[in-house]
Amino acid sequence: NAGVTQTPKFQVLKTGQSMTLQCAQDMNHNSMYWYRQDPGMGLRLIYYSASEGTTDKGEVPNGYNVSRLNKREFSLRLESAAPSQTSVYFCATTPLGNEKLFFGSGTQLSVL
Amino acid sequence: AQSVTQPDIHITVSEGASLELRCNYSYGATPYLFWYVQSPGQGLQLLLKYFSGDTLVQGIKGFEAEFKRSQSSFNLRKPSVHWSDAAEYFCAVGRMYSGGGADGLTFGKGTHLIIQP
Repeated sequence: NAGVTQTPKFQVLKTGQSMTLQCAQDMNHNSMYWYRQDPGMGLRLIYYSASEGTTDKGEVPNGYNVSRLNKREFSLRLESAAPSQTSVYFCATTPLGNEKLFFGSGTQLSVL
Repeated sequence: AQSVTQPDIHITVSEGASLELRCNYSYGATPYLFWYVQSPGQGLQLLLKYFSGDTLVQGIKGFEAEFKRSQSSFNLRKPSVHWSDAAEYFCAVGRMYSGGGADGLTFGKGTHLIIQP
């Protein structure tokens, strides 16, 4: 039982490159989230998927796209990376409502 | 829109002393309230949560928090801190949501706790 698994753990991109961050959960949770964490800013919600087949914008969605591939997987895509997207990205899940979030271990992304 | 304010960016406490981390929230109805802790290079771990009922909630690692509706506050306390408590602490608020789906939590900017020997 791995919980919430994020890949990769580290990534360095050049400006303009694209990449997809992967998140998979084996907890059978309905809702999944992508947050970014920046120093002094706390965690900010990028996108979320309240249930399989739905996705919605969070607080800072610009420059990102998401796909809820199935109940287990929720990916975050950067189509054209920018230095402002240098951050630590966390995937999280919750079973029902806004209950406890279960976090992945994070992806540290640097865009040069 | 909901929001969370953690007024203290850094707090320094001597080992063995008591601790109080402040959290104020803005929300139109009764919220879900949470405190998370993040050790360096780690993900977030839930310390405690408040949904309803008793306004004083107990969490892991000896932490507690008190919900005060009149002050829109949810302060975190610990009677005696240990060096291992040095970490980043985040307060978070969420909308009570029924029906299975949820629109996520709003986090404060965090309080960095430093423990002096």
